[in-house]
Amino acid sequence: EAGVAQSPRYKIIEKRQSVAFWCNPISGHATLYWYQQILGQGPKLLIQFQNNGVVDDSQLPKDRFSAERLKGVDSTLKIQPAKLEDSAVYLCASSLAGRSSYEQYFGPGTRLTVT
Amino acid sequence: AQSVTQLGSHVSVSEGALVLLRCNYSSSVPPYLFWYVQYPNQGLQLLLKYTSAATLVKGINGFEAEFKKSETSFHLTKPSAHMSDAAEYFCAVSEEQGGKLIFGQGTTLQVKP
Repeated sequence: EAGVAQSPRYKIIEKRQSVAFWCNPISGHATLYWYQQILGQGPKLLIQFQNNGVVDDSQLPKDRFSAERLKGVDSTLKIQPAKLEDSAVYLCASSLAGRSSYEQYFGPGTRLTVT
Repeated sequence: AQSVTQLGSHVSVSEGALVLLRCNYSSSVPPYLFWYVQYPNQGLQLLLKYTSAATLVKGINGFEAEFKKSETSFHLTKPSAHMSDAAEYFCAVSEEQGGKLIFGQGTTLQVKP
């Protein structure tokens, strides 16, 4: 079974530029999560999708971050314009929806450096 | 609000020694608890999870953790450390199945030969 795929793996941009990250979850997984992991910290949830609907985006900086999950499969996370403090690893995770199938599987992440 | 505290940002043990990584949580409801491991430049891999069944949970790679409600703790242990165990370890809590994970700050485990 293929795991969660993310691209690109690394990205370097200048502040005020825009950037987009892509995530392809495990086939059949209805729930998709985007986490931000700043160096030296644990991951923090940015947004959670159930199929193509948003379940939780309370910690998403909506003035600059946006995310979508068209057709309930792939997802993209966009930052526009980027700030220095956005430098982090962006992790995508997915899980089956169901009482006994809630384990989150993580992708390798995208490391963003904003200069 | 939920929170997770991992005591010790760095733990160093000798190969073959006991590994003990500490995790305390705060939650107003019975939680779901997890331990993840992260190797350099990789995503997080689930080691084990507590879901209100047995309080002693066995995971992969010889790790186990014990849920102690009275101490609000979920410490991770392994009887004998291997060099390959060197990595970052994260404790996480969720208040509902499929809900967001709240992570601790992480503990870097160093294993010395």
